[in-house]
Amino acid sequence: DQQVKQNSPSLSVQEGRISILNCDYTNSMFDYFLWYKKYPAEGPTFLISISSIKDKNEDGRFTVFLNKSAKHLSLHIVPSQPGDSAVYFCAASVGVWGNTPLVFGKGTRLSVIA
Amino acid sequence: EAGVAQSPRYKIIEKRQSVAFWCNPISGHATLYWYQQILGQGPKLLIQFQNNGVVDDSQLPKDRFSAERLKGVDSTLKIQPAKLEDSAVYLCASSSSRTGGTDTQYFGPGTRLTVL
Repeated sequence: DQQVKQNSPSLSVQEGRISILNCDYTNSMFDYFLWYKKYPAEGPTFLISISSIKDKNEDGRFTVFLNKSAKHLSLHIVPSQPGDSAVYFCAASVGVWGNTPLVFGKGTRLSVIA
Repeated sequence: EAGVAQSPRYKIIEKRQSVAFWCNPISGHATLYWYQQILGQGPKLLIQFQNNGVVDDSQLPKDRFSAERLKGVDSTLKIQPAKLEDSAVYLCASSSSRTGGTDTQYFGPGTRLTVL
């Protein structure tokens, strides 16, 4: 039973354009969400997070939007750069300071074409 | 600041053999996690330590997997005996949260295990 779903296995975007990666979740108890980026042969690296008390969090070219009623979040990358080509994982948990683990989606492979 | 270190990076074994992985977390990080990432899937938590105590091992197949974290620093994950379905990347992560949970987790490069 997938509690965190990334329904697009891959996405291709032209350099300079916006990349939008989507994530849906089913567990209404989740209240903390993260995006991780993964290059081949490396571990995932933390990118950006958002707690359920917010609907938007921004860090440079990266913005995460949260729609709690729809149980949906998205990561926007503007402008997209070739170095952004990687696999992006959405993750969720119950409580920022709780003892529950991160639950990951299957990932979306982003290719930014120069 | 050094990141999370893991060894070996790659391991190939035959089924029914045993294997062990090692992880050295970021200095001072109290919480350590082992994840299993099967090809095409996201990482799945196997076990979480807070210092040298186990917080969550509900998804660890305890009949064949074991893990320990001596002195609250380094950790080893062992599989004995290995099965074909254990082929995966085993990721170690650590966080500084002293209450466990979801403070930012920093991942090591992983160990890619192939079971033949």
